[in-house]
Amino acid sequence: DAKTTQPTSMDCAEGRAANLPCNHSTISGNEYVYWYRQIHSQGPQYIIHGLKNNETNEMASLIITEDRKSSTLILPHATLRDTAVYYCIVREPNNDMRFGAGTRLTVKP
Amino acid sequence: DAGVIQSPRHEVTEMGQEVTLRCKPISGHNSLFWYRQTMMRGLELLIYFNNNVPIDDSGMPEDRFSAKMPNASFSTLKIQPSEPRDSAVYFCASSLFDNQPQHFGDGTRLSIL
Repeated sequence: DAKTTQPTSMDCAEGRAANLPCNHSTISGNEYVYWYRQIHSQGPQYIIHGLKNNETNEMASLIITEDRKSSTLILPHATLRDTAVYYCIVREPNNDMRFGAGTRLTVKP
Repeated sequence: DAGVIQSPRHEVTEMGQEVTLRCKPISGHNSLFWYRQTMMRGLELLIYFNNNVPIDDSGMPEDRFSAKMPNASFSTLKIQPSEPRDSAVYFCASSLFDNQPQHFGDGTRLSIL
C-alpha cells in the first residue's frame, strides 16, 4: 500500500499557483518525499524531492511540515502543459517507490 | 541529452508468444529499474539492478518473467509464455545511483491477445 494520501483531483487556473497537498503521517526519519508527474501516455517525470527542509528547483517548490507528516508541492505559475497526474511518494530505504493513485491536476484557461 | 530509450513503443502479440522489451539507460547511470503500469494496480516496481546486478526482483510476478542486464547500456525484460493479463505499459527507469531520482523512458505498451 502507498504510504501517502492525496486528493483525487484538483483544478487550477492558468497563471495561478497550483498547491498540491500530500499526507504521509507514517513517514520514517530516513525516508524522503518524492514528487513525480505523468502526462498522458508518457513516462513519469521527476519533479523534486526532500527530506526535512523545503526545496526549490526550476520546476517547483516543496514545502514539508516540521513534523514531516505532510507536504505541499507548489507550481508557482501553472500552465496548460502542467495538466497531469501528480504522484507524492515516500521513498523507502530499500529504494522501493510505491506510486499511489496520485492527484489529477487540470489547469484551465 | 538522450533520456532512457525503450523499444518497441508498442507491441501486440498472441498469447503464448515470447515477448522481449528493451531498455537503454542514460549513459553513466548505475541503477536501472523496470516497472509495470495497469489501470487496476497502478505503477509497480518489478525489478532493479545496481551496476548490472539484480538487487531486488520481489516484484516480478512469476517465473514467466525474467530480466537481464548484460552491460551498463542495455537491459531486457522477457515474458515467456505471454498471457493476456500481462497487457500493460512497461516502463524502464535509470538513476545515477540507486537512491537518486529516477528518470523514466516513455514505456512499451504491450497487448497480449
